[in-house]
Amino acid sequence: DVKVTQSSRYLVKRTGEKVFLECVQDMDHENMFWYRQDPGLGLRLIYFSYDVKMKEKGDIPEGYSVSREKKERFSLILESASTNQTSMYLCASSLSQETKNIQYFGAGTRLSVL
Amino acid sequence: AQTVTQSQPEMSVQEAETVTLSCTYDTSENNYYLFWYKQPPSRQMILVIRQEAYKQQNATENRFSVNFQKAAKSFSLKISDSQLGDTAMYFCAFMKHSITDKLIFGTGTRLQVFP
Repeated sequence: DVKVTQSSRYLVKRTGEKVFLECVQDMDHENMFWYRQDPGLGLRLIYFSYDVKMKEKGDIPEGYSVSREKKERFSLILESASTNQTSMYLCASSLSQETKNIQYFGAGTRLSVL
Repeated sequence: AQTVTQSQPEMSVQEAETVTLSCTYDTSENNYYLFWYKQPPSRQMILVIRQEAYKQQNATENRFSVNFQKAAKSFSLKISDSQLGDTAMYFCAFMKHSITDKLIFGTGTRLQVFP
C-alpha cells in the first residue's frame, strides 16, 4: 500500500512564525502536491512538484513556498504565518503514468495560526 | 480553465438505501479523467472511483457506480446499499490529460448515512 505521511496532525503557531509542513511518501512517486482544504471551498492546489528540485505554482501559492530536495519528501513552508493561513493542509503523491494517475493523500495537518 | 461543481453541500440517506451525488464540470478538453474521492471524518482521503473520458462504459466499484454523461459534462456517483461507513465528505475531481496529474476539485458533498 502507498503511504503518504504528514509529520503533524495538529499544529498551533503564532502570527509571523516560519512554519514547515513535511510530507513523505514511500512509493517512489514522481509527483507530489500540497493542497489546502477549507469548508465550502473544497481542496485548492498550493504547489506541486513533478521531480526533485522541480516545482510549479498551483492556484493559491501566495504566502507559501516549497522544497523538494529528495524524491520522497516535499515540504511546504509558510515564510511568515498569518491568521488567514489557518486551514487543513493535505499532501498527496502520484505516479507519473497515465494509467496510474491516482493521487494518494496523507492524513492532513490542521494548522491554527494565532 | 476547468471548473467542477457539486451543487449538494449536504445529503443524507438511510442505511441500505441508494443515494446519488451530483457533479458537473466544465472543460474544453477531450481527453481527461474524472474521480470521486471520499474523506471519512478525521480520516485520510481515499479514491472511490475513476473514469476515463474516452471510455463510454460507466465505471463501477462494488456498491459504487457512476453515471458519466460526456456531452452533458455530468459525472454523478451512485452508492447502493448505503452503509454507516459511507458517512464522509465526497469530492468530485477533474484531471486533464497531462504528466503532472493535477486535480481540480469540487467543493464537496457531506453525506450522512443514518441507521
